Amino acid sequence: NAGVTQTPKFQVLKTGQSMTLQCAQDMNHNSMYWYRQDPGMGLRLIYYSASEGTTDKGEVPNGYNVSRLNKREFSLRLESAAPSQTSVYFCASTGQGPGAGYNEQFFGPGTRLTVL
Amino acid sequence: TQLLEQSPQFLSIQEGENLTVYCNSSSVFSSLQWYRQEPGEGPVLLVTVVTGGEVKKLKRLTFQFGDARKDSSLHITAAQPGDTGLYLCAGLHSGTYKYIFGTGTRLKVLA
Repeated sequence: NAGVTQTPKFQVLKTGQSMTLQCAQDMNHNSMYWYRQDPGMGLRLIYYSASEGTTDKGEVPNGYNVSRLNKREFSLRLESAAPSQTSVYFCASTGQGPGAGYNEQFFGPGTRLTVL
Repeated sequence: TQLLEQSPQFLSIQEGENLTVYCNSSSVFSSLQWYRQEPGEGPVLLVTVVTGGEVKKLKRLTFQFGDARKDSSLHITAAQPGDTGLYLCAGLHSGTYKYIFGTGTRLKVLA
């Protein structure tokens, strides 16, 4: 079990460029999430997908789009990158942990994005 | 805006000392999770508490969920340098899919 995987690990963009961050999970979880983490701001929810075929805005969705490609994969796209989008991006998935009767959220290793 | 306040924000202690981190809210959660995050990595789930008054232990770490399920604490006994990291709490409201995260407690344990 790889858990939650993210690609790429690092990325540098110029203002106005576009890119897609990829996320996949192999835990058969229904819900998937994209967060950004900035110093002193904690984790902020960008978008989430409660189940395959649905997506919803989180706290900071402006400048981003998402696609729930299938149950395993949830991608985040920056159409026209801005310096304010320099951050660390984390993907997460939620489902019942082994032997647990409740949902737990697991995170990927993150993508460090710099926009110049 | 729903808030989950963590305290303290920063903590620097000597190896062997005890410490407690608090996570407080005015709203009720159906579950609350604690994570530890090390530099350059994603948050790693430590524990999930779901029942009011619940206490869970993970080696030297003790987690408690408040009776009213609005607050939680993490107590570390005899801290070690390997405990150094950012500790995050996250609450889930009943009937929702969105987790509310605290801003974190940055712990440094000095040898």
